Amino acid sequence: QQQVKQSPQSLIVQKGGISIINCAYENTAFDYFPWYQQFPGKGPALLIAIRPDVSEKKEGRFTISFNKSAKQFSLHIMDSQPGDSATYFCAASMKGAQKLVFGQGTRLTINP
Amino acid sequence: NAGVMQNPRHLVRRRGQEARLRCSPMKGHSHVYWYRQLPEEGLKFMVYLQKENIIDESGMPKERFSAEFPKEGPSILRIQQVVRGDSAAYFCASSPAWVMNTEAFFGQGTRLTVV
Repeated sequence: QQQVKQSPQSLIVQKGGISIINCAYENTAFDYFPWYQQFPGKGPALLIAIRPDVSEKKEGRFTISFNKSAKQFSLHIMDSQPGDSATYFCAASMKGAQKLVFGQGTRLTINP
Repeated sequence: NAGVMQNPRHLVRRRGQEARLRCSPMKGHSHVYWYRQLPEEGLKFMVYLQKENIIDESGMPKERFSAEFPKEGPSILRIQQVVRGDSAAYFCASSPAWVMNTEAFFGQGTRLTVV
């Protein structure tokens, strides 16, 4: 119930393409869904986040799509660039709770 | 405004020794969280602290691990009698008191290697 399942584990996309990473959850008490980007040797950095009252949020080339009935959310990276090559984590937390539950991560490689 | 500062960045300990990991939150942040990341895995929540209080330690192993966030000074994650399985990256995050749902900022982590 506390898990967030993320797929795929690794993803290779050509420069300029669309990268799509998916996450699914079971606990309907989750109400905050952030995505983090992590470069090797660095800590995770918040990329974009969404709450379940909206179905989509866009910030620049990054979009979160949220499907409340399916309990799924995804990250889309448009016009993917080599600099986007990193590990991406989805996460979730419950209202009133301060801890994040992370997915297993997706290692994204953008080929030039 | 400096970010979350963790030290040391790398720590090597022999089995049975103690490891002390330090985290200074961002200026103005009074909430600290510790997460552990095993190789090729996501981050796992360990403990959530406010100044002088442990709020949620549901992710902490029952033995050998402890955490504190004193009134003055950094937060400390302490691992006694380390074992090889403790080898991991340990991340600290901080957030301001008024932010709900963990708009938290992470440090660069301490990579612990137990030999």
